[in-house]
Amino acid sequence: AQSVAQPEDQVNVAEGNPLTVKCTYSVSGNPYLFWYVQYPNRGLQFLLKYITGDNLVKGSYGFEAEFNKSQTSFHLKKPSALVSDSALYFCAVRDYSTYSGGGADGLTFGKGTHLIIQP
Amino acid sequence: SAVISQKPSRDICQRGTSLTIQCQVDSQVTMMFWYRQQPGQSLTLIATANQGSEATYESGFVIDKFPISRPNLTFSTLTVSNMSPEDSSIYLCSVAGGGPRYEQYFGPGTRLTVT
Repeated sequence: AQSVAQPEDQVNVAEGNPLTVKCTYSVSGNPYLFWYVQYPNRGLQFLLKYITGDNLVKGSYGFEAEFNKSQTSFHLKKPSALVSDSALYFCAVRDYSTYSGGGADGLTFGKGTHLIIQP
Repeated sequence: SAVISQKPSRDICQRGTSLTIQCQVDSQVTMMFWYRQQPGQSLTLIATANQGSEATYESGFVIDKFPISRPNLTFSTLTVSNMSPEDSSIYLCSVAGGGPRYEQYFGPGTRLTVT
């Protein structure tokens, strides 16, 4: 079984400071990892993904994430936070080794982290 | 990315009734999924909607309660049957390409309240 942990319910950061939203995962095989953002009263938006290759992946709105296999982590980062970054962030995983090409191959999501950027 | 629409966007329903939610995509997609998100909480996969065959349900979800149809590669429906207040949630349609590398894209959701 696969699972995702986001240990922080909420992260508070001052505008202009760097931010980190933590994510750890558990899979039996190889992970494909994703970050999504949900703004109030809006749908989920895809930010970035790690599939293979470079451990540092860059995504939308200046976000990046670092894959660390030994620590089974995929933390989301941004060098300088904006007030408009305030939202709910979800980490998700798909275990490639269990992918069947059909059937139940959806993503497993973490519980989400509220990111609050203070002016 | 595909443009996904859902109908209705929200509804308030009586206990014991059923509601069918529609998901329409502007292009053909390989995979379609249905998720549930309770307010302020995480997403839980209900089932994968398979074109031309029965949906594949996750543990804890059954066809009698959440029948799903997918008649073609751009459309799917989810029915929430015999509703109770515990079914109050946001229901999200999601689409993806046919391999594990593909990210999923999500519709705007249907906010359901059962009274």
